Amino acid sequence: DAKTTQPTSMDCAEGRAANLPCNHSTISGNEYVYWYRQIHSQGPQYIIHGLKNNETNEMASLIITEDRKSSTLILPHATLRDTAVYYCIVRVLNNAGNMLTFGGGTRLMVKP
Amino acid sequence: DTGVSQDPRHKITKRGQNVTFRCDPISEHNRLYWYRQTLGQGPEFLTYFQNEAQLEKSRLLSDRFSAERPKGSFSTLEIQRTEQGDSAMYLCASSLVQQYNEQFFGPGTRLTVL
Repeated sequence: DAKTTQPTSMDCAEGRAANLPCNHSTISGNEYVYWYRQIHSQGPQYIIHGLKNNETNEMASLIITEDRKSSTLILPHATLRDTAVYYCIVRVLNNAGNMLTFGGGTRLMVKP
Repeated sequence: DTGVSQDPRHKITKRGQNVTFRCDPISEHNRLYWYRQTLGQGPEFLTYFQNEAQLEKSRLLSDRFSAERPKGSFSTLEIQRTEQGDSAMYLCASSLVQQYNEQFFGPGTRLTVL
């Protein structure tokens, strides 16, 4: 799986959009971009994934650049409960195990 | 609650003792994963099962570690002769094969080896 690079930490004001970048310049054509987050003392939680097109669900939006070398996770109206470590993961989906390879993630602090 | 559950949530043991953790996946999820997470790091893959078959093990899984999923439902992870370096959060996740492999994680078991 391709490696990812994320900022170590970010701050965001409550109610504002949180934009979390991820660089994955060595991504292959068959690798998906996944985002998980981990709130303190909990297991990771799936947020969203995409291949080429931008994606949106009830939690967030995922913007993938046209060359697929980077992406941005957008939390449109961050709340204090969004304070967590956010992990960007790129992975191939096949019949193998599809285990997740986590990096260091971005520690997002949402402030009042 | 129909999510992934793990037991116990916390375990403190002395070096050299054996410990066993249990994971109950989401019902009908045929894949089950174990990860380990040390402080300040992201989770690291240990092993996974598809139904009752253990299909892959990480090099992190030393011979003191053994995992089972005897009936393709719950799983156990045993650590023999624990060492202080085994202190970590042990996370279990489950998924369906057919979906885009979204993994659902349990709350983890925090192990402290004294």
